[in-house]
Amino acid sequence: SQTIHQWPATLVQPVGSPLSLECTVEGTSNPNLYWYRQAAGRGLQLLFYSVGIGQISSEVPQNLSASRPQDRQFILSSKKLLLSDSGFYLCACHGPIAETQYFGPGTRLLVL
Amino acid sequence: GENVEQHPSTLSVQEGDSAVIKCTYSDSASNYFPWYKQELGKGPQLIIDIRSNVGEKKDQRIAVTLNKTAKHFSLHITETQPEDSAVYFCAAITGGFKTIFGAGTRLFVKA
Repeated sequence: SQTIHQWPATLVQPVGSPLSLECTVEGTSNPNLYWYRQAAGRGLQLLFYSVGIGQISSEVPQNLSASRPQDRQFILSSKKLLLSDSGFYLCACHGPIAETQYFGPGTRLLVL
Repeated sequence: GENVEQHPSTLSVQEGDSAVIKCTYSDSASNYFPWYKQELGKGPQLIIDIRSNVGEKKDQRIAVTLNKTAKHFSLHITETQPEDSAVYFCAAITGGFKTIFGAGTRLFVKA
């Protein structure tokens, strides 16, 4: 079965600083990959998804971008963080049964 | 667009009682309905799922029911325990790769 790694687990960054969050997947090939953001006590907001290397679809206009340089690597970036970028960022992928999404452990980002 | 409504947003039960969380979806073409449990500070974990050709599925203390006509599906947890306390998300998928999630239900099980 697939395993999703995310790092760092926690990050505190000043406003205006850059961001790079990494997600890697093991145990599956050519997965669909997703980035979600979850504000405290709230639901899951889909930010980006990717069906293949170099293919990125954005769900909401925002201060963030995503890239997929390798089949099982998904990166979330920002050039200048805003206070509103604070939240819990989750990477997810589709498992062997294509419909089921599996989530990574998440990265908690606090922008001060 | 597609939408999944989830109720209640918060649910508090006594240990040993049952808990029921309900979801309604808008896209009649949805054919797969997973449920996730998210503990504090962790990613959501799949706990049970159901496909549109099945009306009910059970796994020990948890069960899910689906009413395709009414576009409703529900999660039932029996004999609740304190470790069942978490946020639960329902979701609906329409044969593609985008999952529409409900807003979540925070379940408290009081010992």
